[in-house]
Amino acid sequence: GAVVSQHPSRVICKSGTSVKIECRSLDFQATTMFWYRQFPKKSLMLMATSNEGSKATYEQGVEKDKFLINHASLTLSTLTVTSAHPEDSSFYICSAGGGSETQYFGPGTRLLVL
Amino acid sequence: GNSVTQMEGPVTLSEEAFLTINCTYTATGYPSLFWYVQYPGEGLQLLLKATKADDKGSNKGFEATYRKETTSFHLEKGSVQVSDSAVYFCALTLNQGGKLIFGQGTELSVKP
Repeated sequence: GAVVSQHPSRVICKSGTSVKIECRSLDFQATTMFWYRQFPKKSLMLMATSNEGSKATYEQGVEKDKFLINHASLTLSTLTVTSAHPEDSSFYICSAGGGSETQYFGPGTRLLVL
Repeated sequence: GNSVTQMEGPVTLSEEAFLTINCTYTATGYPSLFWYVQYPGEGLQLLLKATKADDKGSNKGFEATYRKETTSFHLEKGSVQVSDSAVYFCALTLNQGGKLIFGQGTELSVKP
């Protein structure tokens, strides 16, 4: 099946710094990628839809200036958490569309903001 | 609005027991339905899917039937194994390649 990777898998940062998370589709091209946030024992919450070559579409309540998304190529989307605070600590997951309604998920990135 | 509701976990079963995880949905159109599984420490993997009413998705001994009349997509397996221990997510999408709406997830723990 299709493979989606994320980097880094874990990151610890100080409050006020910015963190960039990469999402790559390794063996297929994805014009659309999705970014989710997962809290412990909770479901995935869609944050935004990342479209190659255009601006991301953010879900209601998600701060676009805080969670910057760039989808510069058909195989790479990045999520930058700017001026991170402890409440941003979470598990961030990306997915990429396989063109047949199936989405392939990355392994996730665990962010801890101290 | 569109939503997915799953039975609450955790669900604890003995090996070889029968599994049912209930999933119901609310949708404004005709959704495609999915079950994803998340093993400990890993990302979500597609387990099975159904794209129209009465379709049955199946994979690795798991099955789910798209029931439009009851707006349900319950996951079943006749004999679970310890290796099935994971969190299971029911989800829907209303457009091709579009965003998924997830249920809250159900944790399954299978004991030897």
